[in-house]
Amino acid sequence: EVQLVESGGGLVQPGGSLKLSCAASGFTFSGSAMHWVRQASGKGLEWVGRIRSKANSYATAYAASVKGRFTISRDDSKNTAYLQMNSLKTEDTAVYYCTRSIGSYPHDYWGQGTLVTVSS
Amino acid sequence: SYELTQLPSVSVSPGQTARITCSGDVLGENYADWYQQKPGQAPELVIYEDSERYPGIPERFSGSTSGNTTTLTISRVLTEDEADYYCLSGDEDNVVFGGGTKLTVL
Repeated sequence: EVQLVESGGGLVQPGGSLKLSCAASGFTFSGSAMHWVRQASGKGLEWVGRIRSKANSYATAYAASVKGRFTISRDDSKNTAYLQMNSLKTEDTAVYYCTRSIGSYPHDYWGQGTLVTVSS
Repeated sequence: SYELTQLPSVSVSPGQTARITCSGDVLGENYADWYQQKPGQAPELVIYEDSERYPGIPERFSGSTSGNTTTLTISRVLTEDEADYYCLSGDEDNVVFGGGTKLTVL
C-alpha cells in the first residue's frame, strides 16, 4: 500500500525556518518525482515545487512565491523527501501536502498534510 | 507565470450532468488533470492527461479539452460527488492549479 506521511509542521515566527519531511512507503521511491502542494485554510491548492528522480538529475523547480526561500531535497536511502522553508512569511501559513508523480500519473497519491502556522 | 480560471461554484440536481470548466493559455500546449477534494480530506486524482480516467474512478467522470479550455464532465451526478474540483496544468518547471470549483448537489 502506497503511503506518504508528512511531519515537521508547527508554529514558527515570521522570518523563521522550518523543515518538513515526507516519509514514503509501498512504492519505488527512487523512481518517482516528489512534489509539495499547500493549501491555506479555506483556500485553493497551490503547487510549491518538486524534485525529480536521480535518473533526472534530482532536478528541482519552484513556484515563484517560494523561489529563493524554499528548498526541496530527498534521501532515497531513507525514502524521504524534505521541504526546507526559510524566511517564512505569514502568507506561508497552510497545510502542506507531499505528493508523488510517476510515469503518466501526476499527483496520484497524497499525504494527509501537515499544518504550518507562521505567526508572531 | 501561468493562470487557470475556474468558476467558483456549480450546482446540479442528482441524476443530472455537471460540467466544470477550466481555462488558460497553458492548456493549449500542456495536458490538464482534475482533482476532487472533499471536506477535511486530501485531494484525489480523477482525470489525467486531459481525458484519462484514473483507475478506480467511475465511468461517470470524463474529461476533454478544446483549445484553451478543459472540461470535467460528471454524468448522472450523485450526492457523494459534492466536493471541490481543481484543474492543474503546466510545463516541466511551472505548474499551476485552478482556483477550484465547488460542486453542490442540490
